[in-house]
Amino acid sequence: QKEVEQDPGPLSVPEGAIVSLNCTYSNSAFQYFMWYRQYSRKGPELLMYTYSSGNKEDGRFTAQVDKSSKYISLFIRDSQPSDSATYLCAMTRNTGGFKTIFGAGTRLFVKA
Amino acid sequence: ETGVTQSPTHLIKTRGQQVTLRCSSQSGHNTVSWYQQALGQGPQFIFQYYREEENGRGNFPPRFSGLQFPNYSSELNVNALELDDSALYLCAIGDSKYNEQFFGPGTRLTVL
Repeated sequence: QKEVEQDPGPLSVPEGAIVSLNCTYSNSAFQYFMWYRQYSRKGPELLMYTYSSGNKEDGRFTAQVDKSSKYISLFIRDSQPSDSATYLCAMTRNTGGFKTIFGAGTRLFVKA
Repeated sequence: ETGVTQSPTHLIKTRGQQVTLRCSSQSGHNTVSWYQQALGQGPQFIFQYYREEENGRGNFPPRFSGLQFPNYSSELNVNALELDDSALYLCAIGDSKYNEQFFGPGTRLTVL
């Protein structure tokens, strides 16, 4: 079993749709949860960063963390063609040494 | 813009050679991490440096080594290159307190 599972897609939606992206993980030691956006041939860009279970909102983006289910989500409202990219979930722990794991990424296409 | 720069942008090496990749930032973040990203995959954590010492390591062999300098710049060294080392190498700066990480644009390494 992989430490983090993320559906690679591709996911294709019309402009204005609500997008839901998800990851599950297996190790409860992970404490911090992030979502990154990566455009082709670029480095990942940090979108959302959360520590505790619950929701965090930033503009059109909402991140959800459910530690009891080991499940994290990213919602994008009013999606735009410029949101077309690969979305990576990531999680870190800092006990017993720092470690970060990333999901494989979900490719999102938003059609105008 | 994260203010993280990486050099070189692209690099071609042959199997068995050694390579050094560099990372620098404008700000004084106290951690630097290195990742390997194969095509179509999420970044894989190689290691993190904090205050010039290795603070955590992923599942990479000892031929992957690094340095962090007092000015927060960093190097990734890879010895005895293998074909499977061909990938995008990313560095990320962060703060040990918050665990957020900000990525550079990466160095694309091709091993022939």
